[in-house]
Amino acid sequence: SQKIEQNSEALNIQEGKTATLTCNYTNYSPAYLQWYRQDPGRGPVFLLLIRENEKEKRKERLKVTFDTTLKQSLFHITASQPADSATYLCALDLSGGYNKLIFGAGTRLAVHP
Amino acid sequence: DAGVTQSPTHLIKTRGQQVTLRCSPKSGHDTVSWYQQALGQGPQFIFQYYEEEERQRGNFPDRFSGHQFPNYSSELNVNALLLGDSALYLCASSLVVLPRTEAFFGQGTRLTVV
Repeated sequence: SQKIEQNSEALNIQEGKTATLTCNYTNYSPAYLQWYRQDPGRGPVFLLLIRENEKEKRKERLKVTFDTTLKQSLFHITASQPADSATYLCALDLSGGYNKLIFGAGTRLAVHP
Repeated sequence: DAGVTQSPTHLIKTRGQQVTLRCSPKSGHDTVSWYQQALGQGPQFIFQYYEEEERQRGNFPDRFSGHQFPNYSSELNVNALLLGDSALYLCASSLVVLPRTEAFFGQGTRLTVV
């Protein structure tokens, strides 16, 4: 069966450390993978998009990797801040870039001062 | 530049009733997708509209239907509401001539079925 798995447990880290979130998928072959941030009661906000032929993408303190052999994406936040506390969603694009997105359940990140 | 706007923000309906949710896409966007997000879960794709037609559909029953208007705004209709339809309903917009770019989400409509 097709599955997208993200860390089900909340991730608690200390301010200033690097947070690493994992997204694993099975029986999908996405050409694109996206990461979103969602705060309670709000809609998801786009963070990064990575294509299947890209190994790594960076934006400010954010970095995402995409390994199509392992069927895994890793999302890193360096020098984490309490304001980074939120739920982070991994989404596979199965429509060749036309945003038919299949989401994981998300990982809740808590950054403590 | 207005982002994606959804109305209403909250709604309470009785089981068996019908509901209509509304979405205005980000200015300049022509494609609207709808998602259902149950508590503690990720959003689930319902369907996508472009050029006033349903282009793609997820695994949702026919009780879920939609419409897109010439100004690109969209409605989601749910008939014969079930308790399990209680969720946050999200609308996302994008531009079809710019594939491989992000979707912009609205703040959602919280639907409670009692």
